Amino acid sequence: GAGVSQSPSNKVTEKGKDVELRCDPISGHTALYWYRQSLGQGLEFLIYFQGNSAPDKSGLPSDRFSAERTGGSVSTLTIQRTQQEDSAVYLCASSLEGGRNTGELFFGEGSRLTVL
Amino acid sequence: GEDVEQSLFLSVREGDSSVINCTYTDSSSTYLYWYKQEPGAGLQLLTYIFSNMDMKQDQRLTVLLNKKDKHLSLRIADTQTGDSAIYFCAEITYKYIFGTGTRLKVLA
Repeated sequence: GAGVSQSPSNKVTEKGKDVELRCDPISGHTALYWYRQSLGQGLEFLIYFQGNSAPDKSGLPSDRFSAERTGGSVSTLTIQRTQQEDSAVYLCASSLEGGRNTGELFFGEGSRLTVL
Repeated sequence: GEDVEQSLFLSVREGDSSVINCTYTDSSSTYLYWYKQEPGAGLQLLTYIFSNMDMKQDQRLTVLLNKKDKHLSLRIADTQTGDSAIYFCAEITYKYIFGTGTRLKVLA
C-alpha cells in the first residue's frame, strides 16, 4: 500500500475484554515495530519484527500482550483481559531493512485504545 | 540504560529560533534521527545526521552532534506556528529507541 495502515483507528472496550490491533506495513518492508504512546508520554517500545520473527519482545509490558506477523507482512497486536492502564495510542511503523541498517521508519496513524 | 532523554516542553515566539536538545545512550549509533509528530498523527522523519558528522543543515533546520557528550540538538530557525508539534530524537542500536519527546509550542 501507499503507507502504513492501522486498524481500528479507535477502539473502546470494557475492562477484561480482549482486543486485536492490526498493522499493514508498506509492501516490501522487512522490519516492523510496535510502540505505545500514552497521554503526554513518549514512545514506549513494545516489539520488533524482522520478517516473521521477533528478535526483541522485551518491551511487551506483560504476558497479556502478544504479537505476531505472518507472511512477512501484516502484524497483529493482541491484548488479553484489557486493563485501564492499557489505554493508549498504539503505533506501528515499518522500514525497508531492520537492525543497524534501519533507515527511515514509516509510521501509521495509530490505533487509539480506550479501556473503560 | 536505554533512555534517550529530552526536555518535555519548549515555548517560543513566532520568528524566534527553537533549540531542542537530546541526550542519547549508544556511542556506536550510526545515525541519529529527529522525528516530528503533529496532533493526531503518526511520526514523520524530519532529518537525520550520520554519526561521523558534527553538523547538518537543511533549510531552516540545523542538527548539531557532540559525540563525546552524546548530545544531539535540533535548531529551527524562524520558527512558525506550523512548527508546533512534538519532536522526538532517536538512536539506532539494533532497534529504534526514541526519546521522551519535546512538545514545541509556538506563540503568535
